[in-house]
Amino acid sequence: GESVGLHLPTLSVQEGDNSIINCAYSNSASDYFIWYKQESGKGPQFIIDIRSNMDKRQGQRVTVLLNKTVKHLSLQIAATQPGDSAVYFCAAETNAGNMLTFGGGTRLMVKP
Amino acid sequence: DGGITQSPKYLFRKEGQNVTLSCEQNLNHDAMYWYRQDPGQGLRLIYYSQIVNDFQKGDIAEGYSVSREKKESFPLTVTSAQKNPTAFYLCASSRSQGVAEKLFFGSGTQLSVL
Repeated sequence: GESVGLHLPTLSVQEGDNSIINCAYSNSASDYFIWYKQESGKGPQFIIDIRSNMDKRQGQRVTVLLNKTVKHLSLQIAATQPGDSAVYFCAAETNAGNMLTFGGGTRLMVKP
Repeated sequence: DGGITQSPKYLFRKEGQNVTLSCEQNLNHDAMYWYRQDPGQGLRLIYYSQIVNDFQKGDIAEGYSVSREKKESFPLTVTSAQKNPTAFYLCASSRSQGVAEKLFFGSGTQLSVL
């Protein structure tokens, strides 16, 4: 099976700084990874995903880095804004059609 | 707008009562899922369905039931056998379950016990 864990339950950053949220996974056969953002009382929103044939993917103000050697995934948010305050989840899946396995979430708090 | 609609947003259950949470999608997705989220926790899979009239148990299916009579709808019933039903319930869909890809989530239903 797969287990996914985030390194820190809470991360506090200053507005304008860059944020880095880390995630570790256990199954070396995992080949699809995804980050979600969840605001209080709402469903998770897709941020960015990456497949195992890549080690970096960029979106708007976000970058996901994948290190398959140490089974580690990170989400970088540039110039963090108050609207980025939320809980961030990583998830992993094997392409064998297994379910996404979600980590416990990191709460990002942005200080003005 | 295409998306997933969950209702109601808040639901209260009395002891011994069954309650049903609604989930409808107009994304033409084949696969649908139900997750449970407890405070400060990740998402745990209750049931999923890859196709109409077919569904499978997830990791925590005990005390829950589902049906998939239509592609667009995947209601979840929380039965009286579920002794700790208070949680945030999330419905999701994806184009197919056979290939790894992202899930689209609804806005959730908060279930509480009276």
